[in-house]
Amino acid sequence: DTEVTQTPKHLVMGMTNKKSLKCEQHMGHRAMYWYKQKAKKPPELMFVYSYEKLSINESVPSRFSPECPNSSLLNLHLHALQPEDSALYLCASSQQRGGADTQYFGPGTRLTVL
Amino acid sequence: GQNIDQPTEMTATEGAIVQINCTYQTSGFNGLFWYQQHAGEAPTFLSYNVLDGLEEKGRFSSFLSRSKGYSYLLLKELQMKDSASYLCAVLDSNYQLIWGAGTKLIIKP
Repeated sequence: DTEVTQTPKHLVMGMTNKKSLKCEQHMGHRAMYWYKQKAKKPPELMFVYSYEKLSINESVPSRFSPECPNSSLLNLHLHALQPEDSALYLCASSQQRGGADTQYFGPGTRLTVL
Repeated sequence: GQNIDQPTEMTATEGAIVQINCTYQTSGFNGLFWYQQHAGEAPTFLSYNVLDGLEEKGRFSSFLSRSKGYSYLLLKELQMKDSASYLCAVLDSNYQLIWGAGTKLIIKP
C-alpha cells in the first residue's frame, strides 16, 4: 500500500482566515514533505520532516506553519495568506530522508485564497 | 547551478511509441526519477534509475546515462490515458529532488 491521504481536497479561504491542511500515511515512512505546485510548474519543496523533526524549511513565509504531531501525520497551518498563495499543496512521504527512497504523493489540496 | 531540461510538449498517436528526453546538470547525483502527473492530480511514481542502462516496467521503460547526464522515458503502445505531464527529477548530493519543468504529452486518436 503506497497511499498518502490529504484533506480537504479543495479549500477556499479569505486572507484573514486560519485553516489547516492535513496529511496522513500508514506506510511507516519516517520522512514527510510539503510541496506547493502552481499550474504548469513542477512541485516546489516547502518543508521536510525527518523522524518528526523539521529538517528543511525552504525559506517559506511564516504564514505557513508546519506541524508533525506523530510519525503518521503532517499538518500545514495557514494564516493571513495572500492570493498568490493559491496553488495545489502536495504532501509526500518516503522511507527516510537522506536515502534514495521514492517519494509517494497524496492527491493534494487545491487552495484558493480570495 | 542546477538544471534539468525536458521538452515542454510532445504529441503522439494512440498505439505508437514516444520517447521523452531529460538532460541534467546537478550538484551530485543519487538517482533519477520519472513521475506521471494528470492535470489537477498528484504526481505518481513511474521509475527510478541510479545505474546506467535500461529499466523496463510493462509499457514504460526508462534509460540512464550518467556520463552524458541524460535519461529518457519510453512509452510503448500509447493509450489515451497516457495523456499527462511527465516529470523528470534528480536526487542531488543532499538527497533533495531537483525537478524538471515537465513534458506535457498529448495523445491523439
